[in-house]
Amino acid sequence: AQKVTQAQTEISVVEKEDVTLDCVYETRDTTYYLFWYKQPPSGELVFLIRRNSFDEQNEISGRYSWNFQKSTSSFNFTITASQVVDSAVYFCALCRSNYKLTFGKGTLLTVNP
Amino acid sequence: EAGVTQFPSHSVIEKGQTVTLRCDPISGHDNLYWYRRVMGKEIKFLLHFVKESKQDESGMPNNRFLAERTGGTYSTLKVQPAELEDSGVYFCASSQGDYRGLTGELFFGEGSRLTVL
Repeated sequence: AQKVTQAQTEISVVEKEDVTLDCVYETRDTTYYLFWYKQPPSGELVFLIRRNSFDEQNEISGRYSWNFQKSTSSFNFTITASQVVDSAVYFCALCRSNYKLTFGKGTLLTVNP
Repeated sequence: EAGVTQFPSHSVIEKGQTVTLRCDPISGHDNLYWYRRVMGKEIKFLLHFVKESKQDESGMPNNRFLAERTGGTYSTLKVQPAELEDSGVYFCASSQGDYRGLTGELFFGEGSRLTVL
């Protein structure tokens, strides 16, 4: 069985602070994919990143960075210099070979001005 | 290009009534998925269509839920009769490519919020 745990239910920061959202996963598969999605107040789920299990390189995209560590089964997401527009619910998710995703419960991030 | 669209955005019904949710995937996307999030819980997979065929319906909670995708275009998800525990947000998503692989990105709609009173 697959499982994704996002231990942080809510995080509140002040603008320009850095913030890290934690994601720990469980799977018996050797091949799998990890995702982060953002859900702004409008409701849709916006794709942020996809990582496969064979690629442990960390990735940076602007103010966003992701740290994938297979040894600890973690796929953490860091926002540098947070902005009010980053306020949203962020979901970590896991799947095998198709888009039957297993989601975490999500972390509500509030960035205050 | 239009994204994944869902209708209605919000539906309020009484226990025992019927509701039908509709999803229009991105044009040309063979893969269509339904997910739902009930209050305080994770977003959970319901089922996966490849064109008009149900590829995987292992997440459908019970036989009160019926999903169809006639003609392989839009899909409907009917709940009949609705129960209180069916309240939540129902998401639809679509992707291109071979259903066996992640050859295309998965695009989600804004969700349909269902409230059963």
